[in-house]
Formats: sequence, C-alpha cells, structure tokens
Amino acid sequence: DQQVKQNSPSLSVQEGRISILNCDYTNSMFDYFLWYKKYPAEGPTFLISISSIKDKNEDGRFTVFLNKSAKHLSLHIVPSQPGDSAVYFCAARPMRNTGNQFYFGTGTSLTVIP
Amino acid sequence: DVKVTQSSRYLVKRTGEKVFLECVQDMDHENMFWYRQDPGLGLRLIYFSYDVKMKEKGDIPEGYSVSREKKERFSLILESASTNQTSMYLCASSPSLLPYEQYFGPGTRLTVT
Repeated sequence: DQQVKQNSPSLSVQEGRISILNCDYTNSMFDYFLWYKKYPAEGPTFLISISSIKDKNEDGRFTVFLNKSAKHLSLHIVPSQPGDSAVYFCAARPMRNTGNQFYFGTGTSLTVIP
Repeated sequence: DVKVTQSSRYLVKRTGEKVFLECVQDMDHENMFWYRQDPGLGLRLIYFSYDVKMKEKGDIPEGYSVSREKKERFSLILESASTNQTSMYLCASSPSLLPYEQYFGPGTRLTVT
C-alpha cells in the first residue's frame, strides 16, 4: 500500500507563476520529508527538506509546507522557470528506521511553459 | 561533492541471463539503496544495506539479490532476468545522521528481451 501519494501525475504552469506540488501521506510516524527533482536519464537530486517539528522551510524560490494534522506537504516554486520542468518526488522517513529508509511518492511531472 | 556512480548507463540482456549492477559511493556513507523507477509507480525500494554485509528487503525484493562486501560498493543481482525487470535502476547512498538526504547515481536503463 502506497504510504506516500502524489495524486497529480502532471502539472503545467506559465513561466513566472507559482507552481504548487502536493504530497499526502498516511503514516503519522514519519518525521522527516524530502523533495527531489529528476530530469530524464538522470538520477534524482535533492531539493529541499523539512522536519516534522516545523511547518515551513524556505530555500530561495522553493518553499515546503507541512500540515501534520492533514498529513499533507506541498512544494511551492515561485517564480517558476522553464528549467524547473522535471519530475518531482516527495519522500518521507519513518521515525523508527534502520538504514535511513525513505518512502517515495509516484512523482509529479512539472512543465513550465515559457 | 558526493559522488555515486553506477557501472552502466544502458544495458540490454536476454531473458534468463544473470545480471550484475554495480554501485560505488565515495562519501563513506553507511547506507546504500537500490530502487527501480517505472512510469506511474515512482521509486520503489528493492533492497537496502545499512552496513557492510548487512542487507534488508525493501518493497519489491522478489527476483533480486544484493551484495555489500565493502562499504563503498553495493551490487544488485538479477538471478534470472525477466522481461518485467525492464526498468530504470537507481542506486543511492546516505549517512545515518542529519541531513538524511539520499544521494543518487545517474541510473541504469536495463532492457530485458
């Protein structure tokens, strides 16, 4: 059963506007969350993280919001740029963890239209 | 910079062949992982290792085995390749302490015919 879900397989946004990517999870025992960005034929690269003790983390154009009561996190990109076009994965880490295992979502493909 | 390398970018094998995928990391990370990525299914964990010679099954271990004889190297083995193992295979490594992020290799696109 998928513990981390990204219900939107794709998203298109105009350049300069805000992109909002969403992620839902089912396990309340996740304590750390990551967002990754993946270009075709490359490995995912780390984008931004958030601990469960916070509700927001910001890094330049990227902001991640965590709503623990709703078991929901979102990634905001503003302003969106054509180079942001990629697949975005969210990932969640269980508190009880051997080996720093993360559960990944199915990904959202973002297209930023120039 | 952390570097995770994978032995091949593209691989074509025949059904029934034994396939070895190699992964090497240069950051002395304790943890290493093998995932496969398929359209609509995201990244699914096959196996991971938290120490030399230690391994644990992920979500989809069937048809795969792994080996970790040295800290920097983690191998994925397909004992008898099948067409449903055609996929993108991604290796990752991570430390056990903060930050927890996993560092990924470039991936191996495996096609089994």
